[in-house]
This record gives sequence, structure tokens and C-alpha cells, in this order.
Amino acid sequence: AQKITQTQPGMFVQEKEAVTLDCTYDTSDQSYGLFWYKQPSSGEMIFLIYQGSYDEQNATEGRYSLNFQKARKSANLVISASQLGDSAMYFCAMREKGQGAQKLVFGQGTRLTINP
Amino acid sequence: NAGVTQTPKFQVLKTGQSMTLQCAQDMNHEYMSWYRQDPGMGLRLIHYSVGAGITDQGEVPNGYNVSRSTTEDFPLRLLSAAPSQTSVYFCASSKQGARIDTQYFGPGTRLTVL
Repeated sequence: AQKITQTQPGMFVQEKEAVTLDCTYDTSDQSYGLFWYKQPSSGEMIFLIYQGSYDEQNATEGRYSLNFQKARKSANLVISASQLGDSAMYFCAMREKGQGAQKLVFGQGTRLTINP
Repeated sequence: NAGVTQTPKFQVLKTGQSMTLQCAQDMNHEYMSWYRQDPGMGLRLIHYSVGAGITDQGEVPNGYNVSRSTTEDFPLRLLSAAPSQTSVYFCASSKQGARIDTQYFGPGTRLTVL
């Protein structure tokens, strides 16, 4: 069965510093997708970045990048030059190919706090 | 283009009452899903649908029913509410065959069962 583990319940970072949020996953499938979502205090789920298991390059979207280490089964989110608005919950999620995007498995999340 | 909409935003029920959470999307997405989020936890899949007339169970389906009569709508029914169903409910949709099949989430419904 798929499983996502986020081992950092909370992170505190100074503004403008880079931050890495950890995510490890467990799957027996060779083909899968990994997602990161941001949930601000207002509660909505905001898609940040996606990595396919066969993608050779690490995904990047603006200040977000995904450090994908397939052999270690890790998919860490890196936020460069953090901003106060980055304070939120961050969730790592996975779905196996063939399941379709409608079946995501989520980790428990990391609460990121950016200090001025 | 409103994306994914959910009603109501907040709801308080008494144990044993039934209700329907509404979800609609205007993006012509084939896939729709319902998740629940309990305090301090990630989202867990309740039910999902791959198209009109087709639904299936997720990880935590007990106590919930769904139907999908149109592409746009995917209501979630609580048959007999229990305090354990106090949670935030998210509806999501995604496009079949997209290169990055991201799920787009609605704003959520905060449900309290007394």
C-alpha cells in the first residue's frame, strides 16, 4: 500500500532563508506521481509542484523545487528565499499511475512558520 | 470560470441527522473526489468518480454515499451523522489524460456533529 511520511511536524525559518520540507514515500509501483500542496490558514489547498517517477529532471516552479531521490524514495520540497506569505501547512501526496489523479494519498503535513 | 465550488461552507448537525454536501465544477473534468481532513492530519479519500454514473470507494467510505449523475456535480451524503464525522470536507476534480493530472480543490466544508 502507498504511504507518505512527513517527519517534521513544524519548521521555523527566518525570512529570505531557503527551507527544505522532507517527504518520504513507500510504493511497490514503478510508475507514480508526487505532489506538494500548500494549505494557508484560510484552509484552501493550493497545488505547488509535481514530479513524475520517470521524470529525469527535478521539477521546478518559480521559488519551489522538488529534490527527487528515487532510490531513497524521497521527494523533498525546497523553497528558496522564503517569504512571510509562505507560512502555512505543506502536504506531500502521491498517486500511483493507473489510479488516476482522483486517488491521492497524503502525508500528515508540516507546519512552516516564516519569522521576520 | 468558478473552478470547484462547495456548499455549505459551515454546517452543524446533531447526531443521527442526514445531509448532503454539494460539490460542483465547471472545468469539464472527468475525475472528482471527496476527502476529509481531521485536525492535524492530511486528507483521506472518502469516495471518487471517474465519470458520470461511475463511483468507487476510497480509504474511509463508511457512513457516506455518493452519486454522479452529471459531469459537473458530485454530492456527498451523510446518512446518519456521528461525532466521528466532524471534519473538514474537500471536493476535488481533475482532467483525465492531462500531463500533470493535478487535483483542483474546492474551498472546503467545515462540519461539526454534536
